[in-house]
Amino acid sequence: DTAVSQTPKYLVTQMGNDKSIKCEQNLGHDTMYWYKQDSKKFLKIMFSYNNKELIINETVPNRFSPKSPDKAHLNLHINSLELGDSAVYFCASSQGGARTNSPLHFGNGTRLTVT
Amino acid sequence: AQSVSQHNHHVILSEAASLELGCNYSYGGTVNLFWYVQYPGQHLQLLLKYFSGDPLVKGIKGFEAEFIKSKFSFNLRKPSVQWSDTAEYFCAVIGASKIIFGSGTRLSIRP
Repeated sequence: DTAVSQTPKYLVTQMGNDKSIKCEQNLGHDTMYWYKQDSKKFLKIMFSYNNKELIINETVPNRFSPKSPDKAHLNLHINSLELGDSAVYFCASSQGGARTNSPLHFGNGTRLTVT
Repeated sequence: AQSVSQHNHHVILSEAASLELGCNYSYGGTVNLFWYVQYPGQHLQLLLKYFSGDPLVKGIKGFEAEFIKSKFSFNLRKPSVQWSDTAEYFCAVIGASKIIFGSGTRLSIRP
C-alpha cells in the first residue's frame, strides 16, 4: 500500500493555466508538506500543515494555494502557471511536525512542465 | 538562521571504493539529523537518522553516519559502494521547528 500518494505523476500544461496536484497519506500522520525540487535537485519547503492548519508558509507566490480538507489530504492549487514553476513537487508527511523526531515520508513526486 | 551545507555537488567513484559525503549544519541548539536518498526517477527515502545517544548511526544498505557536534557535521559513509548506490543524497536537519535540506550530492558509480 502506498503511504503517501500524489496525483498526477506528470503534468504538462501551458502558461497561464490553473492546475491542481493532490496528495493523500494513509499513515495517520498529522503533518503534511509540499516541497519543490528544481532542476538542480534543490529541495525547498513551500508549505506545512499540521492538523489542517497552516504552520509553515515560505516565500512562495500567491499563485500557490494549499488546501487541506482533512489531515490526510493536502492539495496544491497553482494559478496562472509560469515557466519557472516547472519542477518536481513532492508531498510529504510526518507525525508531530518538525518539533518532533519524526522523519518525513515522501510521495513519488509530480513532475510539472509548463510550456 | 538554520542552514545545511553539502559541499560535494557531484562525486564519482568506482565500485568497491569507499564513500564519504560531507554535511555541515549551522544551528546553535539541539538538532535532529537525517540522510535521505533519491534514486533516479524516484522519491526521497530515509537512509538513517540521528536523534541522540551514540553519535555513530547505522542505516540501511550498509550506510552509516557520524555526528560530530564540535564540527557541526554529520557525514555519510559507506565502506564499499555498489553501482546501485547511484543516486542523489540529501542531508537534512530539524532545528528550530523546521526541516531544512541540503542542496544534495549526486553520487555516480562507475561499474
